[in-house]
Amino acid sequence: AQKITQTQPGMFVQEKEAVTLDCTYDTSDPSYGLFWYKQPSSGEMIFLIYQGSYDQQNATEGRYSLNFQKARKSANLVISASQLGDSAMYFCAMREVNTGNQFYFGTGTSLTVIP
Amino acid sequence: NAGVMQNPRHLVRRRGQEARLRCSPMKGHSHVYWYRQLPEEGLKFMVYLQKENIIDESGMPKERFSAEFPKEGPSILRIQQVVRGDSAAYFCASSQKQGENTEAFFGQGTRLTVV
Repeated sequence: AQKITQTQPGMFVQEKEAVTLDCTYDTSDPSYGLFWYKQPSSGEMIFLIYQGSYDQQNATEGRYSLNFQKARKSANLVISASQLGDSAMYFCAMREVNTGNQFYFGTGTSLTVIP
Repeated sequence: NAGVMQNPRHLVRRRGQEARLRCSPMKGHSHVYWYRQLPEEGLKFMVYLQKENIIDESGMPKERFSAEFPKEGPSILRIQQVVRGDSAAYFCASSQKQGENTEAFFGQGTRLTVV
């Protein structure tokens, strides 16, 4: 089974609008972390936001917020007030504490912000 | 504080040659991860190392690929007798310690082209 599933290969959003990028995960480890990374066309991977499995509140970092629904095993990224510079690939990732500590990545969502 | 440094950024090899990819983790980081990204795809885990130890190599092909992280110096991903299918971007990430809340910081990647 896939550890991380991103079902949206491509998304479009109007500048200044909000957009939600979906991510679901699969784990039996009670202790895990969820991460979102941005990969612009230049290729580097940029860390955006983190959510811990025991966190009670949704994580927020500036215009990024993580909609964490533990029972549904989803960790959607919400970008508010989209900017042209937000156009990039976005990857959801998970790290399990008790099974190896490696990061599992989804296949990514390509976001295009339309002026 | 320099980030994760990977070199070279671009590497061209003929079929049958060896490719050596280097990764210097962030200062103070002792955990290194290597990932491969094929065009239009997500990141695939290859290997997780701590200083002088391979912790998890479940994503490494059984032949031609090896990785090390010596006590002194960078981590090296070595690909012997390269084939066209090895052409990809190879990313290194480092983290400070284990734990679900420890994000990985990525290098800019090495783009390997096998001709």
